[in-house]
Amino acid sequence: DARVTQTPRHKVTEMGQEVTMRCQPILGHNTVFWYRQTMMQGLELLAYFRNRAPLDDSGMPKDRFSAEMPDATLATLKIQPSEPRDSAVYFCASGTLASGSSYEQYFGPGTRLTVT
Amino acid sequence: QKEVEQDPGPLSVPEGAIVSLNCTYSNSAFQYFMWYRQYSRKGPELLMYTYSSGNKEDGRFTAQVDKSSKYISLFIRDSQPSDSATYLCAMKREYGNKLVFGAGTILRVKS
Repeated sequence: DARVTQTPRHKVTEMGQEVTMRCQPILGHNTVFWYRQTMMQGLELLAYFRNRAPLDDSGMPKDRFSAEMPDATLATLKIQPSEPRDSAVYFCASGTLASGSSYEQYFGPGTRLTVT
Repeated sequence: QKEVEQDPGPLSVPEGAIVSLNCTYSNSAFQYFMWYRQYSRKGPELLMYTYSSGNKEDGRFTAQVDKSSKYISLFIRDSQPSDSATYLCAMKREYGNKLVFGAGTILRVKS
């Protein structure tokens, strides 16, 4: 049963600390997405990669967030320094181009981040 | 105004009821329409997707797209308590990978 995995599942940290979230996409998927979900804003796209290359990170605060894909099996999202307003659930999703232009994204279980 | 509007609910129905969930959108370039289901403290999972206008049925679920009205619906027949979840609509253009999500509707099916 192929799944997207994310670590850690929960993270509590103090304001100003660095936070690193990791994602292992489904094997064979060539596109990886990072989302943030809050009650107020819903599900927001932060960044996505295809074949490990960043395609769009316009949804990400550039001054403190960074996303990378060091290899095909690992994507990372870092926040430095973290702020209380970063408290949210961060989801990673992966997908691959199916027939035609259809697209399906498979979500991981999320990392619940609390910044105090 | 958001590109995709969805009533957050909650929507509470008795078991066995027919449920109607809806989204409206403003961008006529959207061609792919999806419904995701998200259980509490889990990631969203794709339920159904439809290309362009029309209906699609899968078991107790039916997705409808009316592009002329920029309106999509998800119907759930014979609703079950296990259907209790948040349902998010999502849309994308013909080309490209970006999905735009609605806020999600919380559904509660009471036994």
